Amino acid sequence: SYVVTQPPSVSVAPGETAKITCGGNNIGSKSVHWYQQKPGQAPVVVIYYDTDRPAGIPERFSGSNSGNTATLTVSRVEAGDEADYYCRVWERSVDDMVFGGGTKLTVL
Amino acid sequence: VQLVESGGGLVQPGRSLRLSCTTSGFTFADYPMSWVRQAPGKGLEWVAFITSKPYGGTTEYAASVRGRFTISRDDSKSIAYLQMSSLKADDTAVYYCVRDHGSTLPTWFDPWGQGTLVTVSS
Repeated sequence: SYVVTQPPSVSVAPGETAKITCGGNNIGSKSVHWYQQKPGQAPVVVIYYDTDRPAGIPERFSGSNSGNTATLTVSRVEAGDEADYYCRVWERSVDDMVFGGGTKLTVL
Repeated sequence: VQLVESGGGLVQPGRSLRLSCTTSGFTFADYPMSWVRQAPGKGLEWVAFITSKPYGGTTEYAASVRGRFTISRDDSKSIAYLQMSSLKADDTAVYYCVRDHGSTLPTWFDPWGQGTLVTVSS
């Protein structure tokens, strides 16, 4: 099955920009969705189909996908953005549709 | 839009359990549904998917549960189910019901229910 890799943790100061990556072989040819999970809560989608943002998600959240890396960018990071972030890759086989291991975003 | 899971609990290895997902606030019959699970302290794992009736109500499963779990839906009640059989300790997790935005395959999930904990232990 397809393998995706996320860094276990990313730390940024408030007001800075956080970039969370999701690496995989030619991932730029696939669709990537991003989920935010705060402690004790169910996940919430923040980006779908690489770059689309659901209603209610701040414009500070954006996504890109090219080559071997998809990236979730959180601009002007706030304390409330502290959470685990998971990427999920869409493929034409369910056995290749995988979640990344998750990245813990810490706001310093 | 609301999704509420129920049916979780403690179950012995090898036994069965059925989870329910009661939905409201949207036209349930128009959407495919999925189940996603999260083992304690671990990441997310997609488990099962069912299309809407126009797409045949067909199902897909993760390899880890294929042949043991069955997803189904009752459009008249706006409820999705996950029948779990031959349960193993590795199936211990919070199980989330999610509204899927795919058609014939699972895609992205929004919203998620609050989850129900299934613990498989003797």
